[in-house]
Amino acid sequence: EIVLTQSPGTLSLSPGERATLSCRASQSVTTNYSAWYQQKPGQAPRLLLYDVSTRATGIPDRFSGSGSGTDVTLTISRLEPEDFAVYYCQQYGSSPPTFGGGTKVEIK
Amino acid sequence: QVQLQESGPGLVKPSETLSLTCTVSGGSMNGYSWSWIRQPPGKGLEWIGFISYHEITDYNPSLKSRVTISIDTSKNKFSLKLSSVTAADTAVYYCARGKGWSAYWGQGTLVTVTS
Repeated sequence: EIVLTQSPGTLSLSPGERATLSCRASQSVTTNYSAWYQQKPGQAPRLLLYDVSTRATGIPDRFSGSGSGTDVTLTISRLEPEDFAVYYCQQYGSSPPTFGGGTKVEIK
Repeated sequence: QVQLQESGPGLVKPSETLSLTCTVSGGSMNGYSWSWIRQPPGKGLEWIGFISYHEITDYNPSLKSRVTISIDTSKNKFSLKLSSVTAADTAVYYCARGKGWSAYWGQGTLVTVTS
């Protein structure tokens, strides 16, 4: 299975700052089949992006995705208070779909 | 608006079978695949498996020998059975729509394996 490694483990930033989250796959992900989710305590994951860079319905444009092959990136252009959460990447290009270990974005 | 709701026992004894049901409302199950995903307390997400509306399944190889997912589109439900559970199976179990990315998730249900 494809192993996804997210970095950093924790990102300490202030509201208004830019956040850059990385996800590296142990092998190339087929046809850019990567997604990003946001999860807050006690809640289900919320889909942010799929197919690397397509925003899900209702996701603000401060969230963007880029990358290909083995490396994808989630960028939050200006952090809002509600953006402090844990973020997971996922690949679904090969079975089984797998998730990264998560990056926690915390308030500095 | 599509909504999913997990239901089932919150406590399961070791070696027994965990059984959960996901009820789908606000939309048809036809044309979609339906997945189970779990998250041990304080840890990351693990895909368990999916079933299509026409009953094609795929399971995580790490769980394949113990997992069965079934669907009843007439009742708008799909189910998970995980046999021979141990403490390592303690997790929040989510149902979701889709076999890749999932925009619709249930709220999750905590299942604790304990004697």
